[in-house]
Amino acid sequence: EVQLVESGGGLVQPGGSLRLSCAASGFAFSTWWMSWVRQAPGKGLEWVANIKQDGSETYYLDSVKGRFTISRDDARNSLYLQMNSLRDEDTAVYYCATRRAFDFWGQGTMVTVSS
Amino acid sequence: DVVMTQSPLSLPVTLGQPASISCRSSQSLVNSDGNTYLNWFHQRPGQSPRRLIYKVSYRDSWVPDRFSGSGSGTDFTLNISRVEAEDVGVYYCMQGSHWPPVTFGGGTKVEIK
Repeated sequence: EVQLVESGGGLVQPGGSLRLSCAASGFAFSTWWMSWVRQAPGKGLEWVANIKQDGSETYYLDSVKGRFTISRDDARNSLYLQMNSLRDEDTAVYYCATRRAFDFWGQGTMVTVSS
Repeated sequence: DVVMTQSPLSLPVTLGQPASISCRSSQSLVNSDGNTYLNWFHQRPGQSPRRLIYKVSYRDSWVPDRFSGSGSGTDFTLNISRVEAEDVGVYYCMQGSHWPPVTFGGGTKVEIK
């Protein structure tokens, strides 16, 4: 059974940093693309970033480029999202999802950017 | 970027009756590899999204056969043949044919009359 468990969310001031983690199990993590998708309170879904199987390719939403970094540790079956220079508009639930077609999702972790 | 437009925004439905949601893209979703990467997701209140349909019409294994997807080019439809109470929530279409960025529709909220 595929399981994705996100962690690392919380309250942070504008300009601050957070590192999200996603622990994966139940599938061959190292062979799959992985993605982050977010959802602002009461809003729709927004793709944030994804990373190729070997980490050699990464892609980002324009509004997070240069501030967010997606990475993975295949030995730990884990996906990460380093978020720097956070803004109010980054407030959202952040989900990790499998592949680029988002066939499986975690339960999400809430990030609140506020002073 | 490809803009995905869903309609209606809200869909009140009667239990046991059919329902249909439309999704239109700002450009054809036929990828250079010949595939059309149009997916549908369902999000129940307070839950994570769950994929229902991929590549327009392929139903995921966990999805009841009352759900079906159709369409081509820029026009796509999600159909529910007979709505059940567990089908309430928000439905999203998503395109992965022309990325980055992957883009989602704004969502259609299904509720029981």
